Amino acid sequence: AQSVTQLDSQVPVFEEAPVELRCNYSSSVSVYLFWYVQYPNQGLQLLLKYLSGSTLVKGINGFEAEFNKSQTSFHLRKPSVHISDTAEYFCAVTLSGGYNKLIFGAGTRLAVHP
Amino acid sequence: EAGVAQSPRYKIIEKRQSVAFWCNPISGHATLYWYQQILGQGPKLLIQFQNNGVVDDSQLPKDRFSAERLKGVDSTLKIQPAKLEDSAVYLCASSHGRDSQETQYFGPGTRLLVL
Repeated sequence: AQSVTQLDSQVPVFEEAPVELRCNYSSSVSVYLFWYVQYPNQGLQLLLKYLSGSTLVKGINGFEAEFNKSQTSFHLRKPSVHISDTAEYFCAVTLSGGYNKLIFGAGTRLAVHP
Repeated sequence: EAGVAQSPRYKIIEKRQSVAFWCNPISGHATLYWYQQILGQGPKLLIQFQNNGVVDDSQLPKDRFSAERLKGVDSTLKIQPAKLEDSAVYLCASSHGRDSQETQYFGPGTRLLVL
């Protein structure tokens, strides 16, 4: 069975500082990897996804993530955060070649302080 | 392009009562999903439809939960009778197809509180 572990439940950071949100996955077969963001009282919005090719994936709002197969990780980074980045971030996987069933981690709450 | 619509946004009921949620996916999206998001956890898939057929309902508590997508467009999720542990946000999502590469687009969710 597949699983996703987000190593930090909360990450506080000051505005304009860099941030990394960590995600590790477990699967015996190939997976596709996703990062979603959830703003308060809103649904989830896709930030970026890794399907194949270059292991560095760029997404919306200045975020990027790097797929590391040997470490089974897909960490999310942003070089300079804004107050508006305060939200819950979810890492998720689906099985490549399977049907579209997202398996989510528990989420990381990013709190950006002035 | 209009997003995924859900109603109601909020619902408070007492245990043992019944409740229904409605979802209208993005136009042209054949695949529709219902997720349950309990506070402090990631969303968990309850049921997936491809047009009006069920693809996966392995995590749907079928003794109390039911869902339908009769005409392959709108969908309703029902809980009867509700339990305290059903308090959660119920998210509806849709995608163009069922391939695992495709992006799922989420609605704003229905926040359910069972007292």
